[in-house]
Amino acid sequence: LAKTTQPISMDSYEGQEVNITCSHNNIATNDYITWYQQFPSQGPRFIIQGYKTKVTNEVASLFIPADRKSSTLSLPRVSLSDTAVYYCLVGEGNQAGTALIFGKGTTLSVSS
Amino acid sequence: DAGVIQSPRHEVTEMGQEVTLRCKPISGHDYLFWYRQTMMRGLELLIYFNNNVPIDDSGMPEDRFSAKMPNASFSTLKIQPSEPRDSAVYFCASTIGSQERAQYFGPGTRLLVL
Repeated sequence: LAKTTQPISMDSYEGQEVNITCSHNNIATNDYITWYQQFPSQGPRFIIQGYKTKVTNEVASLFIPADRKSSTLSLPRVSLSDTAVYYCLVGEGNQAGTALIFGKGTTLSVSS
Repeated sequence: DAGVIQSPRHEVTEMGQEVTLRCKPISGHDYLFWYRQTMMRGLELLIYFNNNVPIDDSGMPEDRFSAKMPNASFSTLKIQPSEPRDSAVYFCASTIGSQERAQYFGPGTRLLVL
């Protein structure tokens, strides 16, 4: 499994766009990039997944450059409720049954 | 759908006692995962099942830990005997094998072993 590196923490203000970058230099050809969000006292929640280029859903966008050695989670116009820990995961294929390996994550703090 | 259900939500016990954590996955999901989260080690996978069969238990810390899935709607994680270093939040998650790698986590069980 490819190792991921992401900032330990980030600060932002309400209404701003937040970009969290994850490095995964050893990503394999079959690896997908997945992001989870975790609020205090709750289990992680799936946000978005991508393989290359750009993926967008109702919550976030995921930008993946051509070399796929990094990826950026973009949260548009954050609010206080987006304060959470965000995890970047890289794993083989599109296999839901594959175990997830979580790193330390990025703690995002949004202030008013 | 009620989501993944875990019980109890909180458990306080004394060292040496047996602890049983319970999980009900989302109906129709064929994969079930048990994770443990601590400040020091983050989120760790303990074991996971596919169609009620244990697939990978390499994350189980030691023989004091055991997990079962007697049917598609119920799983248990047992610690016997419990030790203070087992104090953590234990999460259960489930998913469908045909979907993308999105696992649905329960609310967790916060375990404190005194």
